[in-house]
Amino acid sequence: AQSVTQLGSHVSVSEGALVLLRCNYSSSVPPYLFWYVQYPNQGLQLLLKYTSAATLVKGINGFEAEFKKSETSFHLTKPSAHMSDAAEYFCAVSDRRGYSTLTFGKGTMLLVSP
Amino acid sequence: EAGVAQSPRYKIIEKRQSVAFWCNPISGHATLYWYQQILGQGPKLLIQFQNNGVVDDSQLPKDRFSAERLKGVDSTLKIQPAKLEDSAVYLCASSPDRGEQYFGPGTRLTVT
Repeated sequence: AQSVTQLGSHVSVSEGALVLLRCNYSSSVPPYLFWYVQYPNQGLQLLLKYTSAATLVKGINGFEAEFKKSETSFHLTKPSAHMSDAAEYFCAVSDRRGYSTLTFGKGTMLLVSP
Repeated sequence: EAGVAQSPRYKIIEKRQSVAFWCNPISGHATLYWYQQILGQGPKLLIQFQNNGVVDDSQLPKDRFSAERLKGVDSTLKIQPAKLEDSAVYLCASSPDRGEQYFGPGTRLTVT
């Protein structure tokens, strides 16, 4: 069984500040890990994914995440927040059997203030 | 390349009524997924199709929910009869075989 825990249902940052969204996973097999972003009234868009290559993964819009097996974590970061980053972010895990079923966390709403 | 299409985008029904949602995946994608996203939660898989066969429907409430994928392309998800707790966004996603999932915009269902 797999699960994802996202710490903090809401995270508030100022424009230009560091963004850090936390994700911890539980998986009995080596995982694939994903971060998705969801803007209001839209579907989910893939930000980045870890599939057992480099542990530091770079995604779109300046986001990156680091896979840390010892901490079972896959935290999402961005050095400088922009107003357009305000959205809901979901961490997800699947096992490595060819991108099988995704298990999502509950999501973290990122609020960016001027 | 066109994305995943879903309709309707919004639907309001009364409890005990029936409703159907439609999804057209990205052309050539073998796998199709239906997710339920309740407010404040992450998406939860309801059913996964590989071509026109069901791969996983373990979390589909089969007493009221049904889904089919016609000729391995379009899919419909039906709820009959609807309950208040079915109010959610229903997301459709598709993927090539062994590929990442692409999501549609979703259908927001309100059951009153």
